[in-house]
Parts: sequence; structure tokens; C-alpha cells
Amino acid sequence: EAGVAQSPRYKIIEKRQSVAFWCNPISGHATLYWYQQILGQGPKLLIQFQNNGVVDDSQLPKDRFSAERLKGVDSTLKIQPAKLEDSAVYLCASSQGLYSSTDTQYFGPGTRLTVL
Amino acid sequence: AQTVTQSQPEMSVQEAETVTLSCTYDTSESDYYLFWYKQPPSRQMILVIRQEAYKQQNATENRFSVNFQKAAKSFSLKISDSQLGDAAMYFCAYRSPNTGNQFYFGTGTSLTVIP
Repeated sequence: EAGVAQSPRYKIIEKRQSVAFWCNPISGHATLYWYQQILGQGPKLLIQFQNNGVVDDSQLPKDRFSAERLKGVDSTLKIQPAKLEDSAVYLCASSQGLYSSTDTQYFGPGTRLTVL
Repeated sequence: AQTVTQSQPEMSVQEAETVTLSCTYDTSESDYYLFWYKQPPSRQMILVIRQEAYKQQNATENRFSVNFQKAAKSFSLKISDSQLGDAAMYFCAYRSPNTGNQFYFGTGTSLTVIP
């Protein structure tokens, strides 16, 4: 079974520039999560999708961050314009979306963003 | 929102010895799920073990086991016969079925394995 795919793996940009990250979840997984992980901290949920609908985006800085999952499969997270404090690893995860004990998140390798 | 606390930022263990990582959480829910994830340096996060709150029996996965104390809201991870490959950040996570299956993560414990 293929895992969660993310690209790019690394990105360096200057502040005020734009950047986009892509995620392809495990086939058949209805739920997709985007997390921000700042060095030395645990992942912080930015947005959660169930199919192509948003379940939770309460911690997404909507003035600069946006995300979409138009066809309920892959997803794109965009930052425009980037700030220095956006430097972090952006993790994508997916799960089947079942309310059961077997529903587990599987993570992608992450995209390490450096904003100069 | 639920909070997950890992009070040990760093831990170390001698190879082949046993180490226990602590995790506590705060919740008013009775039904939930708990997880330990491992994140090796520059590598992706992988699931180590999970526990359903309604189960009294502690989960085990080979050398990994948990001590789940529901009343105390404690969920510690024990690693037996530690190996060099166990060196990583370990994150405790709480999943709430009542808030859209959202996961809440602790701040992590960095485990060093000493040869």
C-alpha cells in the first residue's frame, strides 16, 4: 500500500513570497489533515478535510494560508505571503475517516519550509 | 479543547535497558483513543501503539507497551530492550471521536539511546 505522498520535500523562499505544498493521501482515505510542526514542538493542526469538505480550520491563519481538496483526493496548502515565523515542517496525514478504534492517522514525510 | 502533556522533553536509556515515557491528558470525554507516534530525525512520523479508552487491558506491540490509567488520565509508553533504532522524538496523541476525529499532540519527548 502506497503511503502519504508530499511534495516538495524542501522549500526555501524569501518573506512575502508565495509557496504551495501538495499532498496525496493513501488511496481510499476520506480524511486529510494538514499540520504545522515548528522545530521542537508537536504538530499543530491547521486544517482537516472530510472528503472535499472542511471539518476544522479554526487554527488556520486565513489571512495568509489557504487549502483545498477539490475532488476529495489530493490537497494543496498555500501560503501567501510568507512570514519568517512560517518556517516549519508541514505535515500531511490521512485516515480512513471512521469513528472506530482502527482509524489511525498515517503521515507523509513532510515539507520543510525555510523563510528567509 | 483537549490538552496533552509530555513533561519529559528529553530522556536517555542504555541500549538493551527499559525506559518509560510519560504522558498525561485532560479531557471530559469518556470515549476516546490514545496513540504514541515516533518521529526519527528527518524522517516521517509513524504509529507505535494505540489504546482505546474503553479497554482496560493495556496495549502491547512487541517491545512497546503502555500503562493506561484512565482515572489518572495517564498514558505512559514503556520501551523494553531498547535498540539504537528507537532513538527518536516520541509524541503522545489523543483522538476525540466527538470533535470530528481530531488529533491533539503533546510537545514530544526526545529519546536518546546510548550504546
